[in-house]
Amino acid sequence: DTGVSQNPRHKITKRGQNVTFRCDPISEHNRLYWYRQTLGQGPEFLTYFQNEAQLEKSRLLSDRFSAERPKGSFSTLEIQRTEQGDSAMYLCASHEPSSPLHFGNGTRLTVT
Amino acid sequence: AQSVAQPEDQVNVAEGNPLTVKCTYSVSGNPYLFWYVQYPNRGLQFLLKYITGDNLVKGSYGFEAEFNKSQTSFHLKKPSALVSDSALYFCAAPTGGGNKLTFGTGTQLKVEL
Repeated sequence: DTGVSQNPRHKITKRGQNVTFRCDPISEHNRLYWYRQTLGQGPEFLTYFQNEAQLEKSRLLSDRFSAERPKGSFSTLEIQRTEQGDSAMYLCASHEPSSPLHFGNGTRLTVT
Repeated sequence: AQSVAQPEDQVNVAEGNPLTVKCTYSVSGNPYLFWYVQYPNRGLQFLLKYITGDNLVKGSYGFEAEFNKSQTSFHLKKPSALVSDSALYFCAAPTGGGNKLTFGTGTQLKVEL
């Protein structure tokens, strides 16, 4: 399967703990996006990378959130000191210019 | 800036009947519009897009969408619904730079026998 891969699929953590998610995009795609989706809502943009450069961050992305794409390939999204409001599906997508976004199956985070 | 709205939370249709999932847009300039589908516990899958050209856009799985400039709409359609079409459908438009998409709130399509 050469699609976008996200790990883990599910993560349950206690409030206050740190979590890290990984996204492996389609290999030839230079743009990578992170979205958050809560129940009953459409995905909301968090941040995106072109190669290793983080070009934009949403105001939704508080200081507790950080994303990296160190070699322009896979990306990680870390949430520090998790809160119950962070519970959501975190989606990664990638594409090359002029092509549609390809989404992974997401990481579902539950903060207890 | 572009935004989209999906006025229906849920659409129910009988298998074999035509289906329509509605989307309206608000844009400055030429609209780029997309439809995505999401099955339970999965990511979003691209169905089709409108950039320029023909107002009727054909996409995956027999879906099509009609761009209507006068009504600022981009409704998703299929002539004959299948039970397997039951899913969550999102309309989207790019906002700002980098092709990031802003999604509508989604419409749950339920196709029944």
